[in-house]
Amino acid sequence: DAGVIQSPRHEVTEMGQEVTLRCKPISGHDYLFWYRQTMMRGLELLIYFNNNVPIDDSGMPEDRFSAKMPNASFSTLKIQPSEPRDSAVYFCASSSGVYEQFFGPGTRLTVL
Amino acid sequence: DAKTTQPTSMDCAEGRAANLPCNHSTISGNEYVYWYRQIHSQGPQYIIHGLKNNETNEMASLIITEDRKSSTLILPHATLRDTAVYYCIVRVPRAGNNRKLIWGLGTSLAVNP
Repeated sequence: DAGVIQSPRHEVTEMGQEVTLRCKPISGHDYLFWYRQTMMRGLELLIYFNNNVPIDDSGMPEDRFSAKMPNASFSTLKIQPSEPRDSAVYFCASSSGVYEQFFGPGTRLTVL
Repeated sequence: DAKTTQPTSMDCAEGRAANLPCNHSTISGNEYVYWYRQIHSQGPQYIIHGLKNNETNEMASLIITEDRKSSTLILPHATLRDTAVYYCIVRVPRAGNNRKLIWGLGTSLAVNP
């Protein structure tokens, strides 16, 4: 298995632009998680899905952030409009069991 | 979920055992201890978990004290590739919909040649 796949790996954009991050979970996993990591705040859970349904989005910082999971093999995290404070590394993870989450390589987002 | 306390940083000589402590004094009876690590510029990686018995796998050993208020992750023969941030997390492995992991700041382990 290729593991969790994220794209793009790096994204540089200007303030006000729309940003879309993509994730393909491991086949057969029924949970998908979106995290954000910064030096100041560490690793934060933004939202997670179970069987494509959002379960907990309490970590989504504000209405500029939205996440979708149209099917079991694809999810997007969208920021519109983007701001410099959104600069971070965004991780997607998936799991099936109750113990282990498998993380992707992350997308490093820089908003100028 | 119970809170954990870990040292900010540690050093270890290559080839020696690295012993990473974690305090979780408010742990409840059904909470497990999980360890993950994050190598620079990569996503976190699961290492091991345990409830009350000591556990060992191909990556590490987990020693949990009898009162379960603390634990130690042991990397028996640390290599340079073990340089990473190590996270200790305590939670109940629910089969339902509460899958949140609360991540602290972890311990930054530097393995030196």
